[in-house]
Amino acid sequence: QSVLTQPPSASETPGQRVTISCSGSSSNIGSNTVNWYQQLPGTAPKLLIFDNNQRPSGVPDRFSGSKSGTSASLAISGLQSEDEADYYCAAWDDSLNGPMFGGGTKLTVL
Amino acid sequence: QVQLVESGGGVVQPGRSLRVSCAASGLMFRSYAMHWVRQAPGKGLEWVAVIWYDGSNKYYADSVKGRFTISRDDSKNTLYLQMNSLRVDDTAVYYCARDERLWFGELNYWGQGTLVTVSS
Repeated sequence: QSVLTQPPSASETPGQRVTISCSGSSSNIGSNTVNWYQQLPGTAPKLLIFDNNQRPSGVPDRFSGSKSGTSASLAISGLQSEDEADYYCAAWDDSLNGPMFGGGTKLTVL
Repeated sequence: QVQLVESGGGVVQPGRSLRVSCAASGLMFRSYAMHWVRQAPGKGLEWVAVIWYDGSNKYYADSVKGRFTISRDDSKNTLYLQMNSLRVDDTAVYYCARDERLWFGELNYWGQGTLVTVSS
């Protein structure tokens, strides 16, 4: 099965803003909401953004999400070293009857 | 205190079977759909299977359909994944996760994962 398309890597210096894109299709992003997960090294994924742009309790407002058509993006402002992690987008896929994940983006804070 | 704890991983030969479990506490287990998601070494996340809160529906990724079976025992607050005809490419950390909103895939609680290694 196909995955949602993300850039494999991204990098930026501390304090700056970075965006990570996620491209899908009509059966997933185009018809359902997008969620983002953060996976710190050696740990389980953590829900970072849900319902396109909502933050769970405890997630700093430096993290924001947006969606347009069959694409979505995650923005992180005021980058900090602890933001260095893998980030995954995901959306329910109507053909899969389950969530489809992006390939993941490894964020490096220079 | 919400907690999901996977167990049952290990090394198994190709073609053999293995069952992994996920014990839940503190999260009203029987009210939520539950998923299995796996991650091969150095790779990304791959959704494996989902079971509805009442067990009425189960769906699988094409890569495991016909070989894996997801089930739940609400009396034990435990989720299972029975894996048959295992292949080398099933090697991965297997995570269980709770779905906050069915049909939206908001996996808001995850276990720590259990490693399954398929090797001769």
